Amino acid sequence: DIQMTQSPSTLSASVGDRVTITCRASQTISTWLAWYQQKPGKAPKVLIYKASSLESGVPSRFSGSGSGTEFTLTISSLQPDDFATYYCQQYDTFTWTFGQGTKVEI
Amino acid sequence: EVQLVQSKAEVKKPGESLKISCEASGYRFTNSWIGWVRQTPGKGLEWMGIIFPRDSDARYSPSFQGQVTISADKSITTAYVHWNSLKASDTAMYYCVRLNGYCDYWGQGTLVTVSS
Repeated sequence: DIQMTQSPSTLSASVGDRVTITCRASQTISTWLAWYQQKPGKAPKVLIYKASSLESGVPSRFSGSGSGTEFTLTISSLQPDDFATYYCQQYDTFTWTFGQGTKVEI
Repeated sequence: EVQLVQSKAEVKKPGESLKISCEASGYRFTNSWIGWVRQTPGKGLEWMGIIFPRDSDARYSPSFQGQVTISADKSITTAYVHWNSLKASDTAMYYCVRLNGYCDYWGQGTLVTVSS
């Protein structure tokens, strides 16, 4: 299976900060990567697909980049609604895998 | 509007059977794969398997092969995951997802608790 490693596991930030989360794949996945946001008690919600495509309805302060094995999710100016846990997921191979998550907290 | 509505939370004893469901609406059910994802505090999000409702072609993650059965009834646009004999380690939140390569829609989740 392809392993997905996110860093950091926890990130402390303030409203207005620029935040970057990294996801590393154990082998190349081209741009078959998605990012999800999950809030407590809720299902994950997709933010970015194909590494850099913004899902409809998602604020433009979210952006994704990368290809191959290194990917980043950037929040350009952190808003109160953005405090949540973020997951990357590869969908290059049939057996998808998720990263372990990055909790963004105050 | 695409919606995936899952069945309610369940509390079961080890060894019991269980089938949870995911009713889809707002799109052509037979045209998209549906997947199941398990979430636990210890292992995070894990892909269990997927099914193509048009022909019920089901594929499983190696970790879940033989542990669960995924099925679909296209006449009522509903997907299922079934356990023959639950274990305490099956305690988790289970999500169904619609696949567009990635998971573009998620159900609200079904919490399964297995305890004696």
